[in-house]
Amino acid sequence: DADVTQTPRNRITKTGKRIMLECSQTKGHDRMYWYRQDPGLGLRLIYYSFDVKDINKGEISDGYSVSRQAQAKFSLSLESAIPNQTALYFCATGTELNEQFFGPGTRLTVL
Amino acid sequence: GEDVEQSLFLSVREGDSSVINCTYTDSSSTYLYWYKQEPGAGLQLLTYIFSNMDMKQDQRLTVLLNKKDKHLSLRIADTQTGDSAIYFCAVLSGGSYIPTFGRGTSLIVHP
Repeated sequence: DADVTQTPRNRITKTGKRIMLECSQTKGHDRMYWYRQDPGLGLRLIYYSFDVKDINKGEISDGYSVSRQAQAKFSLSLESAIPNQTALYFCATGTELNEQFFGPGTRLTVL
Repeated sequence: GEDVEQSLFLSVREGDSSVINCTYTDSSSTYLYWYKQEPGAGLQLLTYIFSNMDMKQDQRLTVLLNKKDKHLSLRIADTQTGDSAIYFCAVLSGGSYIPTFGRGTSLIVHP
C-alpha cells in the first residue's frame, strides 16, 4: 500500500463550488504539506503543518484552507473554487531532515 | 528568501551521462535535495547532500556541491529511457524548515 494517499485523484468542478482534497499517510511523520504544481512554475507551497495543533500558511494560501484532523490526515479545502485554481495538487509528509514524501497528486479542473 | 534556478530541458542519448544543474542564492543552505517526478506521479526523493559534503555517490547517481559558486549538480551515468522525467532541485536554507524547490528540469532520453 502507498505511504501517502490522496483522494480524489481527479476532480472536475464548477466555479463557486466547495471542494475538499484529502490526504492520508502511514509513514508516521508529524510534518505534512500541501503544494500545487502548475506547468513551468514548479511547486508552490499552500499550507504546512508540523503537528496536529500546528497550521502555517505557505506562499499561496489565499483561497485555500486546511484541517489537520489527526497525525495521519491533512485535508485541503477550496471554499469557492475559481478557474485559476485548476492545477495538480500534491500532499507530502516530511522527516526532521526535511526529506519529503509525496502522494500521487490530485488533478483539479475548475470550469 | 532563497531562490533556486534550474534549466527547463535537457536532452541526452541513451547510454550517455546526464548532468542536471541547479544554482541557489543562500550561502547558509544546509540540506540540498534531488527529486524525480515521472509522468502522472508525485515527486520521489532520489538523494540529498549535507552542506559540509562536496560529493555523494549512490549507484548511477553522483551529486556534486560547489558551495563557493552555490552550484549543485546531479549526474546520471549510463542514462536509460526510464530516467526520462522531471528532476527537481530543493534547497533548505539555514534557519528554515521548508525547502525551496526549483522549477524542475525535464530530462528527455532518446535512443
